[in-house]
Amino acid sequence: ELKVEQNPLFLSMQEGKNYTIYCNYSTTSDRLYWYRQDPGKSLESLFVLLSNGAVKQEGRLMASLDTKARLSTLHITAAVHDLSATYFCAVDKGRTGNQFYFGTGTSLTVIP
Amino acid sequence: EPEVTQTPSHQVTQMGQEVILRCVPISNHLYFYWYRQILGQKVEFLVSFYNNEISEKSEIFDDQFSVERPDGSNFTLKIRSTKLEDSAMYFCASTIGLTDTQYFGPGTRLTVL
Repeated sequence: ELKVEQNPLFLSMQEGKNYTIYCNYSTTSDRLYWYRQDPGKSLESLFVLLSNGAVKQEGRLMASLDTKARLSTLHITAAVHDLSATYFCAVDKGRTGNQFYFGTGTSLTVIP
Repeated sequence: EPEVTQTPSHQVTQMGQEVILRCVPISNHLYFYWYRQILGQKVEFLVSFYNNEISEKSEIFDDQFSVERPDGSNFTLKIRSTKLEDSAMYFCASTIGLTDTQYFGPGTRLTVL
């Protein structure tokens, strides 16, 4: 069974600092997704990474994918309080459609 | 802005009863999904649906679960005989293309007593 591990599970960081969340997965896949979830809310899609070396950026968040290392990173630059949320990565192993395997999530708290 | 809607927002049922959770995806979207999230835990994929049939499903999606798109707008998840462990938040999502951004509904909280 495909395993998806995120670390850290919990992250508390000060505003203005940089940090990286890691997503490791156990079998080959070329499709990786990042999501954000605010407490008590639904999910919001952040990034879709479709090939080795893919890099996407939106505001203070940048995601990358290394399929050879089976690793994706979500880098946070100059964190602000509004980024406080839980971040999930998910690997898509579907053959005819999407079949997602989610990581455990990283709960990020940005302290003013 | 178009959005995915789900009803009801909260469903309470007795163990062994059937429930139907409803979703209205964004109108021009072609791919549809159900996920669940037990309180405080990670999100779990249940099923993906395209062209009126299931394209992929997880091990969780056993014979007790079924999905349907009965009328071209609704997308439903039926649990035939609910168990206590089915208590969770259920999210529906839709997307226009297989690798495009997914849009999620607000969720239905299912409580099985």
